[in-house]
Amino acid sequence: DAGVTQSPTHLIKTRGQQVTLRCSPKSGHDTVSWYQQALGQGPQFIFQYYEEEERQRGNFPDRFSGHQFPNYSSELNVNALLLGDSALYLCASSLRGGRHYEQYFGPGTRLTVT
Amino acid sequence: LAKTTQPISMDSYEGQEVNITCSHNNIATNDYITWYQQFPSQGPRFIIQGYKTKVTNEVASLFIPADRKSSTLSLPRVSLSDTAVYYCLVGGNQGGKLIFGQGTELSVKP
Repeated sequence: DAGVTQSPTHLIKTRGQQVTLRCSPKSGHDTVSWYQQALGQGPQFIFQYYEEEERQRGNFPDRFSGHQFPNYSSELNVNALLLGDSALYLCASSLRGGRHYEQYFGPGTRLTVT
Repeated sequence: LAKTTQPISMDSYEGQEVNITCSHNNIATNDYITWYQQFPSQGPRFIIQGYKTKVTNEVASLFIPADRKSSTLSLPRVSLSDTAVYYCLVGGNQGGKLIFGQGTELSVKP
């Protein structure tokens, strides 16, 4: 049973560029959430996708956008990168109607903006 | 959503029992208490969840007093591999966003 997978593992971008991160949820899960984790901080919720629509959104600017595909996989896009966007980006999957607050996280993508 | 307060860091030695307490004075009636564990360069991992009294699984125990304004995660006989950050979360939205605080950085020494 495959867990949550993310690609790429690491990424280095320059200010102003755009980036796309990818996530495949755990088998059987239909909901994908994205989180940003700065060094030494807890993960911060970006948004959540279910049935190919954004269902909830955290306090992140419109530069952050996403997509969910019919096979439940998801992408996170960040435009006009800033130095402050450097962080670990985590994808988490869950099953709608599943246990409260139980999400399965991937290993993350480490994004460095220079 | 209920705000949580937990110690920033704790030290322990192998073989000891570790108790990490989390305060959540504004917990709502339908909120659950959930703990996650995160190792360096990995995503958080769900370890235990409870609503009231005591919950035990193969990894940890969770103690919740009657007023539910705090909870204690208990790790029996820790090993070096239990060195991680432990997050206490409170909420009741099924599948909804998780609100993480700073967590407790547990360091287990030989």
